[in-house]
Amino acid sequence: EVQLLESGGGLVQPGGSLRLSCAASGFTFSSYAMGWVRQAPGKGVDWVSSIKSSGDTYYADSAKGRFTISRDNSKNTLYLQMDSLGPEDTAVYYCAKPLKDSGWTLRGFDIWGQGTVVTVSS
Amino acid sequence: QSALTQPASVSGSPGQSITISCTGTSSDVGGYNYVSWYQQHPGRAPKLMIYDVINRPSGVSNRFSGSKSGNTASLTISGLQAEDEADYYCGSYTSSSTLVFGGGTKLTVL
Repeated sequence: EVQLLESGGGLVQPGGSLRLSCAASGFTFSSYAMGWVRQAPGKGVDWVSSIKSSGDTYYADSAKGRFTISRDNSKNTLYLQMDSLGPEDTAVYYCAKPLKDSGWTLRGFDIWGQGTVVTVSS
Repeated sequence: QSALTQPASVSGSPGQSITISCTGTSSDVGGYNYVSWYQQHPGRAPKLMIYDVINRPSGVSNRFSGSKSGNTASLTISGLQAEDEADYYCGSYTSSSTLVFGGGTKLTVL
């Protein structure tokens, strides 16, 4: 069974940093692009960042320069390093896997984790 | 990276059909056949319902169908059921090599 398990969320002060992790299982992690999507309380979903199996990275404007996506294929784990956090970054952060392993970096996601909550507040 | 435009809410009675629109530009919806649709129940993660405009993933009911005309994509749900009540989001690849979602549509089954 394909599973994604996020961790690392929590309460952080404005200007602070947080690193999210996503442990993947049930599929060949190294073959798939992966992504992060967030959802602020009571709001819609927003794409944050994606990373190809090759390591090429893509970011939403809101994340560019502040967030860094990375992966460790030896550990089947996806990461999101978030710096200079502000209240607008408060959200549930989902790790997500695309449907197919080829040419699917930014075409959507079929498997989502349960999400990890990030709260930015003083 | 402006969000795609969806109606805030739609409603229908059991057995009826409803359609949710998703309007973008020639740089996203209109330029690529990479539109996806997601269903989200309260407290749950989104679920992929349609990909590449018209395709259903394995296990998704054939009551769900997708289409596109110009810069507007649509999700149609036929034979509406109580369990279809949820939030629905569209998403599209963009010419900036990003992914953009719509603001979401709340479907109410009357």
